[in-house]
Amino acid sequence: QKEVEQNSGPLSVPEGAIASLNCTYSDRGSQSFFWYRQYSGKSPELIMSIYSNGDKEDGRFTAQLNKASQYVSLLIRDSQPSDSATYLCAVNPLTGTASKLTFGTGTRLQVTL
Amino acid sequence: DGGITQSPKYLFRKEGQNVTLSCEQNLNHDAMYWYRQDPGQGLRLIYYSQIVNDFQKGDIAEGYSVSREKKESFPLTVTSAQKNPTAFYLCASREEGRYSPLHFGNGTRLTVT
Repeated sequence: QKEVEQNSGPLSVPEGAIASLNCTYSDRGSQSFFWYRQYSGKSPELIMSIYSNGDKEDGRFTAQLNKASQYVSLLIRDSQPSDSATYLCAVNPLTGTASKLTFGTGTRLQVTL
Repeated sequence: DGGITQSPKYLFRKEGQNVTLSCEQNLNHDAMYWYRQDPGQGLRLIYYSQIVNDFQKGDIAEGYSVSREKKESFPLTVTSAQKNPTAFYLCASREEGRYSPLHFGNGTRLTVT
């Protein structure tokens, strides 16, 4: 089982709709979770971080964390064509050094006109 | 502006040659990282350093070497022993602590023929 799993997609949503991206992780003791957006050919940029169970909202983005079920999700409201990118989930596991984030392989999102 | 500078953006080398990728940060972060990204495989950790003059192997260190003589600099050498060196290389840094995100440079795309 991979440490961090994401559906590779592509996930296709129409402009204005809600995009829902999911991520599961294997280390039950993981304490911090991050979502990065990566445009083709560019480096990842941080869009959300979450540490506690529940929802965290920032503009059109909402991160949701459920530690009991070991999943974290990202909702993008009012999706725009500029949201089309690959979204990477990163987890800071409890095991091993605190310095190592583990990344999923990413979900490619396509927002259609 | 604070950030991470990677150079060059594109690098072309012949097989059998060593090549060094530069990474400089002015964020005053203690920890620095090198990741490799191949299509469909997400980010894989090559080496990381939590303090000057100390570094640890990541998941795919074979064929690579690093140094950390200054807090601001963490160069990566891709040696001729690396069997498949063509990839997108990302340097990152973060503050110490489980809740700190990674900040990425713009990446270096290495092509070896």
